[in-house]
Amino acid sequence: GAGVSQSPSNKVTEKGKDVELRCDPISGHTALYWYRQSLGQGLEFLIYFQGNSAPDKSGLPSDRFSAERTGGSVSTLTIQRTQQEDSAVYLCASSRSGTGGASGSGEQYFGPGTRLTVT
Amino acid sequence: DQQVKQNSPSLSVQEGRISILNCDYTNSMFDYFLWYKKYPAEGPTFLISISSIKDKNEDGRFTVFLNKSAKHLSLHIVPSQPGDSAVYFCAASPSLYNFNKFYFGSGTKLNVKP
Repeated sequence: GAGVSQSPSNKVTEKGKDVELRCDPISGHTALYWYRQSLGQGLEFLIYFQGNSAPDKSGLPSDRFSAERTGGSVSTLTIQRTQQEDSAVYLCASSRSGTGGASGSGEQYFGPGTRLTVT
Repeated sequence: DQQVKQNSPSLSVQEGRISILNCDYTNSMFDYFLWYKKYPAEGPTFLISISSIKDKNEDGRFTVFLNKSAKHLSLHIVPSQPGDSAVYFCAASPSLYNFNKFYFGSGTKLNVKP
């Protein structure tokens, strides 16, 4: 079956421009996560969507970052007025459920990422 | 501040030998831990997990050990194979029942030499 897909795979943009990154999660997965990985760093949590609940935005680094998830499926991460420090690989992941115990294992399925370069 | 740390950025092992990847965490409230493997230009893939009520979980060649008192977990791969060469991330969740946030380490690059 289809995994998590992300587009574009690479994006080069000029400082100050806005960018949109797209994530198509696995069908039926209710939880969706965005992470970013800067060079030499681990995965940094950005935002989490679970079903129809309000998203957990606690990881967004500034108000230039926003994300939405339409119809409980596709998600878009938007970065406004990009800065050079925004350059990173942005990873999206989905999981069957954002809850554990009997209803889920917490295993996340990651997309291949979008490599963003801000010049 | 980084709550999950992988202090070895790289590890080189001979094929057939044991690979031991280490991970330390600072938050004693972490309850659930996972290991992911990542090949270049791909997203991480889930490998194995362990909850805080256990100290060991095994899946084929992969075993994860958890030492809660030391806030330390390790991944053992026996025997190591060249196809295991990848970056390995450990991750932790503060809740066994609510996976709203995971904290990841910076990764260890494993190279298994034929």
